[in-house]
Amino acid sequence: ETGVTQTPRHLVMGMTNKKSLKCEQHLGHNAMYWYKQSAKKPLELMFVYNFKEQTENNSVPSRFSPECPNSSHLFLHLHTLQPEDSALYLCASSQDLALGGTFTDTQYFGPGTRLTVL
Amino acid sequence: AQKVTQAQTEISVVEKEDVTLDCVYETRDTTYYLFWYKQPPSGELVFLIRRNSFDEQNEISGRYSWNFQKSTSSFNFTITASQVVDSAVYFCALSELTGANNLFFGTGTRLTVIP
Repeated sequence: ETGVTQTPRHLVMGMTNKKSLKCEQHLGHNAMYWYKQSAKKPLELMFVYNFKEQTENNSVPSRFSPECPNSSHLFLHLHTLQPEDSALYLCASSQDLALGGTFTDTQYFGPGTRLTVL
Repeated sequence: AQKVTQAQTEISVVEKEDVTLDCVYETRDTTYYLFWYKQPPSGELVFLIRRNSFDEQNEISGRYSWNFQKSTSSFNFTITASQVVDSAVYFCALSELTGANNLFFGTGTRLTVIP
C-alpha cells in the first residue's frame, strides 16, 4: 500500500461504546496528525506527533485519546462520545516538524473515517 | 479573525469553462507557506501545491495554475477547461514559520462542474 491509509472508513457507534480509529502511513514520514472535519467549519487540528512524541493537543476533550506506537502508526481511541463528535476524522503525515515545530512541510492526508455517534 | 478566507462557498461551471477559486490570507510573518488541497467526494485531501512566501512566480501544472500576489495577500487557483472530475471541495491553507503552530485552513470552495 502507498500513502496514508485509515480504517475503518465508516463507523457508527453509540455514546457508551469504545472504538479506535487507525491510521498508517507508508511514506517514511516522522510527523502524524489527527484532524476533525465538521460540516461548514474549517479543519480542526486535534493532535500532532513528531517522532512518536505528542507535540500538540488542541484542547481536545479527554474522550479522544491518541496513541502513536511508532512513526508509521497513529490511533485515536474513542470512548463515551457525544453526537456532536460526529464528523470526518482525517489523519495526515509529513516529513517531520520544522525546527521550532512549525507545520511548513507538506502534509499528506488519508481518506478519513466518517464517524456517526448515535 | 480568520487567517485564510475563501469567500466563494460554492461555484458551478459548465464543463470546459475556466474557473478561478479565490484565497485571501492574513499573516504578520515574512516567511510562510501556502497550500492548496482538493477533497473529492471520497473524502481524502489531495495535495496540489505548496508555495513559500519568497517565491512569487506564478505556477502552471497542466490545466491548473496559481497566482500568488503578496501585495493583496492572495493565492488564487485557476482551472482551465474544467472537467467533471474537477468537481470537489478545494481548500487553501497557510502555515507560518514563526507564528502559531498550526496549518490554517479556509472553509473551502465547493466546485461543481456540470457536463
